[in-house]
Amino acid sequence: AQSVAQPEDQVNVAEGNPLTVKCTYSVSGNPYLFWYVQYPNRGLQFLLKYITGDNLVKGSYGFEAEFNKSQTSFHLKKPSALVSDSALYFCAVRDSGFQKLVFGTGTRLLVSP
Amino acid sequence: DTGVSQNPRHKITKRGQNVTFRCDPISEHNRLYWYRQTLGQGPEFLTYFQNEAQLEKSRLLSDRFSAERPKGSFSTLEIQRTEQGDSAMYLCASSDQGFSGANVLTFGAGSRLTVL
Repeated sequence: AQSVAQPEDQVNVAEGNPLTVKCTYSVSGNPYLFWYVQYPNRGLQFLLKYITGDNLVKGSYGFEAEFNKSQTSFHLKKPSALVSDSALYFCAVRDSGFQKLVFGTGTRLLVSP
Repeated sequence: DTGVSQNPRHKITKRGQNVTFRCDPISEHNRLYWYRQTLGQGPEFLTYFQNEAQLEKSRLLSDRFSAERPKGSFSTLEIQRTEQGDSAMYLCASSDQGFSGANVLTFGAGSRLTVL
């Protein structure tokens, strides 16, 4: 069965600094990996996905993520954080051939001015 | 198209009552999903429809839970004899057919259930 781990409950970063939100995964087949963001009182919004190809994928709002097969990781990154990036971030994985998307427990990102 | 719509947004009920949530997906999407999210947790998969067929069900979906998508468009999630442990945000998502596994889920804002 597939699973996702987000080891940090919260990440604090100053505005303008780079940010990283960590994610590791476990699947039996080829992984399809996703990042979603959740703002208060709003639904989950898709940021980016990795299916195949280039290990560095670029997504919405300047976010990118790096797929590392040997470390089974898919960390979310942004070169320069904004206060408006403060939100709850979820990593998710889907095993190839299945529709069930499994989410991690989430990481709260707090960007201070 | 206004995205995925869920109603009601909030429902407060007494233990033992039945509740029903409705989800209207993006019109051209043939896949529909239900998830449950409790405080401090990520969304947990409940069930998935392709058109009107319910193809996957989680063990979390006990006998008190039933989901339908009768005409392959909107879906309902009913919880019978609610318990306090059912209190959660119920999320609906939809997606197009896409390449299997690569399709992106678009989520609604959710329906929050509080069982007293």
